[in-house]
Amino acid sequence: SQQGEEDPQALSIQEGENATMNCSYKTSINNLQWYRQNSGRGLVHLILIRSNEREKHSGRLRVTLDTSKKSSSLLITASRAADTASYFCATDGGNKLVFGAGTILRVKS
Amino acid sequence: DTGVSQDPRHKITKRGQNVTFRCDPISEHNRLYWYRQTLGQGPEFLTYFQNEAQLEKSRLLSDRFSAERPKGSFSTLEIQRTEQGDSAMYLCASRTRDSDYGYTFGSGTRLTVV
Repeated sequence: SQQGEEDPQALSIQEGENATMNCSYKTSINNLQWYRQNSGRGLVHLILIRSNEREKHSGRLRVTLDTSKKSSSLLITASRAADTASYFCATDGGNKLVFGAGTILRVKS
Repeated sequence: DTGVSQDPRHKITKRGQNVTFRCDPISEHNRLYWYRQTLGQGPEFLTYFQNEAQLEKSRLLSDRFSAERPKGSFSTLEIQRTEQGDSAMYLCASRTRDSDYGYTFGSGTRLTVV
């Protein structure tokens, strides 16, 4: 079964705009991770935020984590057409990752 | 070592046949995971190994499914008597014991049962 939900299910933006995706989860976690998946391919790890962290940056990515609300957000700034993909949040309780259903991002050039 | 390798990339099989997939993880990673992903959904956990020990299996892993990691290196996932509902992408991932690092996924094996 999947841990939680992602919002929105799909997002379409123009190149150069920012994209924000949200993730909610249900149980306690050690960390939360975000992955990208291009159509029909494997998942690529983007960023990991520990349960005691509130915000983390990596290049054009910014992740926030609110453990009191059991939610996280991923912000992609200055989006590019190459960012078009599905994005998944995944929670790690220590033994395995549990994924959400994902957000499909389309960046139009 | 260039990452996690999965073989084959695609498999088409007739209902009732057995299939076996292989995963070669990153050599220094002692944990290996199998996930299944259907269209429009996130990956669902099937099972994981620490070295050669299978430590957890999902309820999704029916009696027709079996996974092995005989020497703590590569792993195989076998599906017996395939059904159309088994059609999915089967993903393998590996990581070190340190949970502060992300997982490295292979490109997956896409199974189609006809």
